Order: sequence, then C-alpha cells, then structure tokens
Amino acid sequence: DADVTQTPRNRITKTGKRIMLECSQTKGHDRMYWYRQDPGLGLQLIYYSFDVKDINKGEISDGYSVSRQAQAKFSLSLESAIPNQTALYFCATSPGLAGARQETQYFGPGTRLLVL
Amino acid sequence: DAKTTQPNSMESNEEEPVHLPCNHSTISGTDYIHWYRQLPSQGPEYVIHGLTSNVNNRMASLAIAEDRKSSTLILHRATLRDAAVYYCILRDGSGATNKLIFGTGTLLAVQP
Repeated sequence: DADVTQTPRNRITKTGKRIMLECSQTKGHDRMYWYRQDPGLGLQLIYYSFDVKDINKGEISDGYSVSRQAQAKFSLSLESAIPNQTALYFCATSPGLAGARQETQYFGPGTRLLVL
Repeated sequence: DAKTTQPNSMESNEEEPVHLPCNHSTISGTDYIHWYRQLPSQGPEYVIHGLTSNVNNRMASLAIAEDRKSSTLILHRATLRDAAVYYCILRDGSGATNKLIFGTGTLLAVQP
C-alpha cells in the first residue's frame, strides 16, 4: 500500500462549486504539504502544516483552505472553484527532522482537477 | 532560497551514463543540494542530496563542484524507466516553511 494517498485521483467540477481534496499518510510524519502543478511547470506550495495545531500559508494560498484533522490527514478545499484552479495537486509529507536542510519530502500520486 | 538553472531537456540512450547539470551560482555555505525526479503521471520522488562531498546511493551519484556553484546528477546506466523530469533544488532550511522550490527541471528522454 502507498504511504501517501490522495482522493480523488481525478475530479471534474463546475465554476463556483466547493470541493475537497483529501490526503492520508501512513508514514507517521508530522509535516504535511499541499502543492499545485500547472502544465509544464514546477510545483508551487499552497499550504503546509507542521503538526495538528499548525497551519501555514504557502506561496499561492488565495482561493484555498486546509484542514489538518489528524496527524495522518490533511485536506485541501477550494471554496468556490474557478477555471484557473485547473491543475494537478500533490500532497507531501516529511518527518520533521531537526536537520531540515536534509529532510526529504514524500509525495502522493496527485489529484488531477478540472474546473469547467 | 537561491536559484538553480537547468537545461530544459536532454536525451540519452538506454544503458549509457547520463550527466544532468545544475548551476547554482548564488548558493550559500549552508545550502544543501537536493535532486528530485517526477516520472510521468506521478508525484515527485527524492533522488539524492549533498552538501560538499560527492554522494552515491542506489539510484544515482551527485558530483558537487569544489566551489559548489554547480553540481551534476549522474545516472550510471540509464533505463527507460529513468525518463522523467529531474529537479535540482537548494534547501537552506531557514525559516519555518521547509518548502521545496521547484523550477521547471530537465526533461530526460531515454531512447532504446
């Protein structure tokens, strides 16, 4: 079984709808992240959480919100979806080691979102 | 975070070595050099990282220039499964984000 799972894997929605993307991990990591990837580009950080009580905005948080329900679960919501939020969304985790500069992030398989 | 520069694309033949370059002329003394790759239709995966000395693991080798302003990811024998986008990323770990800053990476094509 995959260590980092994302549901759904594919989603089509309409402009103005609220949708939620979910991420679960079995790695026991404290830190979780949501990234967005547009075609042909690298990933951009949306939100991140260092523990259950910690939520932080990333580079492109406008139009998104998150919820850290438990150590293993981190959800991303689009409050009112718009077409330019069409993208590939990745969840990632990391253990939260003291040596952050060496820390590895582990990514889920991604959710492909299309907003019509 | 300091910026990295990579070629947009490279080609290799199967079972031959591949050298993927990365320039990071503004690297600071405490920045680690990380490499991730993204296979088609998958999330990025960690490949290797280093600070000053060359590093080897089961996936690849990382050669770091003496002045640390450039590095090279070496795949010793490319396979078709190595076709991916390879990202060179500098990690300073400062601040609270611990985020990875992805550029556009190098798209590696492997020919049979």
